[in-house]
Amino acid sequence: AQTVTQSQPEMSVQEAETVTLSCTYDTSESDYYLFWYKQPPSRQMILVIRQEAYKQQNATENRFSVNFQKAAKSFSLKISDSQLGDAAMYFCAYRRRNNDMRFGAGTRLTVKP
Amino acid sequence: DGGITQSPKYLFRKEGQNVTLSCEQNLNHDAMYWYRQDPGQGLRLIYYSQIVNDFQKGDIAEGYSVSREKKESFPLTVTSAQKNPTAFYLCASSKDRDLNYGYTFGSGTRLTVV
Repeated sequence: AQTVTQSQPEMSVQEAETVTLSCTYDTSESDYYLFWYKQPPSRQMILVIRQEAYKQQNATENRFSVNFQKAAKSFSLKISDSQLGDAAMYFCAYRRRNNDMRFGAGTRLTVKP
Repeated sequence: DGGITQSPKYLFRKEGQNVTLSCEQNLNHDAMYWYRQDPGQGLRLIYYSQIVNDFQKGDIAEGYSVSREKKESFPLTVTSAQKNPTAFYLCASSKDRDLNYGYTFGSGTRLTVV
């Protein structure tokens, strides 16, 4: 089974600074998709960013960007100019074509004012 | 606005009781999913359904049951066979299992055994 590993249970960042959350995954597939979800205290899951494995270009959404290293099976999330509203649990997820989504255990991000 | 509605937000179950969690979507999505969230374990798949009247077990289906009689609805029943049901339950949907779509999630149901 595919597994997703987030090695940082907790991270903290100073407001306006940059932080990177790590994610690695295990798969033998070549065609798949990767996602980062944010879960704030309300517990509503919000899609932050997605990446197609066949695309070499790293995805970017405003202050959020990824560093996708396919050979290393690594998919880290970089948050620039961190804001207080970024404080949340962040989940990395993997989805293979014709299959369901697999999630990591999550990283709790704290933003310090 | 379209979305997924889960109800109730909080649910309490006595030992030996079955309870049903509701999940309704008006997004015209084909696939629906139930996940369980426990601290430190991320989200684990309970059941999923790609089309009406069809569903498959996920990784932790024991003690749970589902139905998919309508495209919009995918209720989850937590039976008395589920020995540790206290958890946060999330329902999700996606337009099509084949495509590169993330999931749309409901706001969740917190189930507590009393």
